[in-house]
Amino acid sequence: SAVISQKPSRDICQRGTSLTIQCQVDSQVTMMFWYRQQPGQSLTLIATANQGSEATYESGFVIDKFPISRPNLTFSTLTVSNMSPEDSSIYLCSVEQGATEAFFGQGTRLTVV
Amino acid sequence: GQNIDQPTEMTATEGAIVQINCTYQTSGFNGLFWYQQHAGEAPTFLSYNVLDGLEEKGRFSSFLSRSKGYSYLLLKELQMKDSASYLCAVRDSNYQLIWGAGTKLIIKP
Repeated sequence: SAVISQKPSRDICQRGTSLTIQCQVDSQVTMMFWYRQQPGQSLTLIATANQGSEATYESGFVIDKFPISRPNLTFSTLTVSNMSPEDSSIYLCSVEQGATEAFFGQGTRLTVV
Repeated sequence: GQNIDQPTEMTATEGAIVQINCTYQTSGFNGLFWYQQHAGEAPTFLSYNVLDGLEEKGRFSSFLSRSKGYSYLLLKELQMKDSASYLCAVRDSNYQLIWGAGTKLIIKP
């Protein structure tokens, strides 16, 4: 199994500002995944973070809005830039071990006012 | 497009049995997952099915029929702590996880 420490757990931010979310894994993993979960909705994959290369973004998400860093095999950050109230959501980082299980950080509950 | 359907909400009584269904239409299939998510917390892994049939794990069982694109999660001897959302997810041909919106399960005494 993998243990993921994600912070902050929650934040209230002013529109137009940026927030960086950090995830630390207790083991080395090739890929880390960043999800958004809006109330009552499914997890939506934002991007896949690979160490040593640029993140791969899903349709509807762009690097300028959600820059990602992956400096090593145990750590990644996601920044939500120039925030608006529509960015209010839960953001989750995740890693997978093999093809049979995904592990999640505790999530960051973001409120933009 | 890819789609996973599960009921939005279900209610059951403590001590009873409940079955949460999930149907899927995805580009390829490489396994189906059930996760439990308590309010304000991250999802936690419950079960994984890649072959047809029933997988039993304590009070929880998960069933898969690949030909029907169908799975269910069966919870027995319900406890109040089972009140949570249950997420169905399918790994597609690109090994990407496609998630359902989740079923909110409410347990009443």
